[in-house]
Amino acid sequence: AQSVAQPEDQVNVAEGNPLTVKCTYSVSGNPYLFWYVQYPNRGLQFLLKYITGDNLVKGSYGFEAEFNKSQTSFHLKKPSALVSDSALYFCAVRRTGGFKTIFGAGTRLFVKA
Amino acid sequence: GAGVSQSPSNKVTEKGKDVELRCDPISGHTALYWYRQRLGQGLEFLIYFQGNSAPDKSGLPSDRFSAERTGESVSTLTIQRTQQEDSAVYLCASSSGDRAYEQYFGPGTRLTVT
Repeated sequence: AQSVAQPEDQVNVAEGNPLTVKCTYSVSGNPYLFWYVQYPNRGLQFLLKYITGDNLVKGSYGFEAEFNKSQTSFHLKKPSALVSDSALYFCAVRRTGGFKTIFGAGTRLFVKA
Repeated sequence: GAGVSQSPSNKVTEKGKDVELRCDPISGHTALYWYRQRLGQGLEFLIYFQGNSAPDKSGLPSDRFSAERTGESVSTLTIQRTQQEDSAVYLCASSSGDRAYEQYFGPGTRLTVT
């Protein structure tokens, strides 16, 4: 069975500081991993994905994520947070053999000016 | 091009009534997903369709929930005999037939059962 854990309900960070939103997963076989963002009153948007290759993937709005197979983690990072990054972030996993995608419970990011 | 659209955007219904929610995926996308998002919570997988394959219904919470898809086009999610716990935002997403591709989400239908 697939599962995703986002251990933090909320992350607070000051503008200009680096941010990390944590995600760990469980899936049989090799995973496809995704991050999505949900801004207030807007739909879910794709940020980035890991399929294969380089463990560090770069996505939209300056975000990046590092795939760590041994720790089964896919943490989302950004070197310098913006107030406009405040949103709800979801990690998702799909095993390479299927289409079913499981989402984490979400982490709310607050960036304070 | 047009994104994923869903209708209605809002639906208020009385307990016990049936409701039908509609999703129009992006043209050419063979995979279509339905999720439920309760207030303040994450996305709960309900069902997905991929081309002509049998749908994966493993996430449907009860037999009151059903979904259909016409070919690689429109999908409808039907909830029979609605209950108050069915109140949520129902999200539809579509993606290319390649498993590696990301999903594109619609704006959702907010269902309120009174």
